[in-house]
Amino acid sequence: ELKVEQNPLFLSMQEGKNYTIYCNYSTTSDRLYWYRQDPGKSLESLFVLLSNGAVKQEGRLMASLDTKARLSTLHITAAVHDLSATYFCAVVREYGNKLVFGAGTILRVKS
Amino acid sequence: ETGVTQTPRHLVMGMTNKKSLKCEQHLGHNAMYWYKQSAKKPLELMFVYSLEERVENNSVPSRFSPECPNSSHLFLHLHTLQPEDSALYLCASSRDRITYNEQFFGPGTRLTVL
Repeated sequence: ELKVEQNPLFLSMQEGKNYTIYCNYSTTSDRLYWYRQDPGKSLESLFVLLSNGAVKQEGRLMASLDTKARLSTLHITAAVHDLSATYFCAVVREYGNKLVFGAGTILRVKS
Repeated sequence: ETGVTQTPRHLVMGMTNKKSLKCEQHLGHNAMYWYKQSAKKPLELMFVYSLEERVENNSVPSRFSPECPNSSHLFLHLHTLQPEDSALYLCASSRDRITYNEQFFGPGTRLTVL
């Protein structure tokens, strides 16, 4: 059974600081997604990571995937308040496009 | 309307009521999904439909009954729910379910069962 673990589950950080969110998964998969969710809103797709060593960057966020270690990271550079949200990683389970989600990381960026 | 829409956005119902959640996608996709997001659990896949055929039922209690009349619409019929069914119900769609296509999510229906 595929399990996805994120840590930390809650992150409070100052504006301008850097931090990394980790996503570990338990069985082989070669596709991983990062989503953002604002309070009361739906999930917004941030990154799709398709292969080992994949790295994608958008603004202050950078995501990477290491399929051998079964680990993805979401790195935040020089955080700003607008990045406050909940971030989820999701891993494709088996054939059939089934996503298994991590518990989510609640990020709060303080001024 | 664009993307994936869901109605109602908020629903309060008693345990003896019958209600339905509606999802509509305007993306020309062939696969649609229902997810449950509760406060204390990760997002859980409930049902998957591909070309209007149910292809996945993730051990969901029979008090949840999905319906997919066409590839653009997905319903979740609710009856005799329990308070622990209170959650955010999210609908998603993807181009198909065979290849690894990105899923696009609707805004969700916040359900409260009294």
